[in-house]
Amino acid sequence: DAKTTQPPSMDCAEGRAANLPCNHSTISGNEYVYWYRQIHSQGPQYIIHGLKNNETNEMASLIITEDRKSSTLILPHATLRDTAVYYCIAGNTPLVFGKGTRLSVIA
Amino acid sequence: DGGITQSPKYLFRKEGQNVTLSCEQNLNHDAMYWYRQDPGQGLRLIYYSQIVNDFQKGDIAEGYSVSREKKESFPLTVTSAQKNPTAFYLCASSIGGNKNIQYFGAGTRLSVL
Repeated sequence: DAKTTQPPSMDCAEGRAANLPCNHSTISGNEYVYWYRQIHSQGPQYIIHGLKNNETNEMASLIITEDRKSSTLILPHATLRDTAVYYCIAGNTPLVFGKGTRLSVIA
Repeated sequence: DGGITQSPKYLFRKEGQNVTLSCEQNLNHDAMYWYRQDPGQGLRLIYYSQIVNDFQKGDIAEGYSVSREKKESFPLTVTSAQKNPTAFYLCASSIGGNKNIQYFGAGTRLSVL
């Protein structure tokens, strides 16, 4: 699995878009980019994943750069319930989780 | 409801005791996984199984054992050889192969008395 780099923490105002960056410069051609989040003392929740193309679902959008060395998870209208640790993973199962980004949504 | 059930939610272990954490899934997934999470840290892989009656060690398998006798069940035993067992334990499952989404249970928090 490729090593990922994420900022340890970020703040976002409620109702604004939250843009969470991830660097995965050593990703190989067949490795996917996955995003999960973990609310305190719960199991991680799958958000979205992609290989090359940008992806969107009901929770978020995933933007992957053309060279696939970085990606951004976008929560379009952050709410207080989006406060969590967000994990970016570049690889295949079994997934390797780093320390993630602690996102705080502020009222 | 379909999903992954971990039990118990909280578990206490006495010194020198083996304890078993339960993980059951009704998603018809072939693959199952066990992770350990320490405070403020990411998840570390203990064991995983891609098919019944087969499993592989992860990064921190020492002091743990597993079995996979049924597709829906993947119990984890924390043995007395695990000297620092206090942690949050998470079970996951996926359809199988190496490009599939892993879905997680709610976790078991293990503490040593």
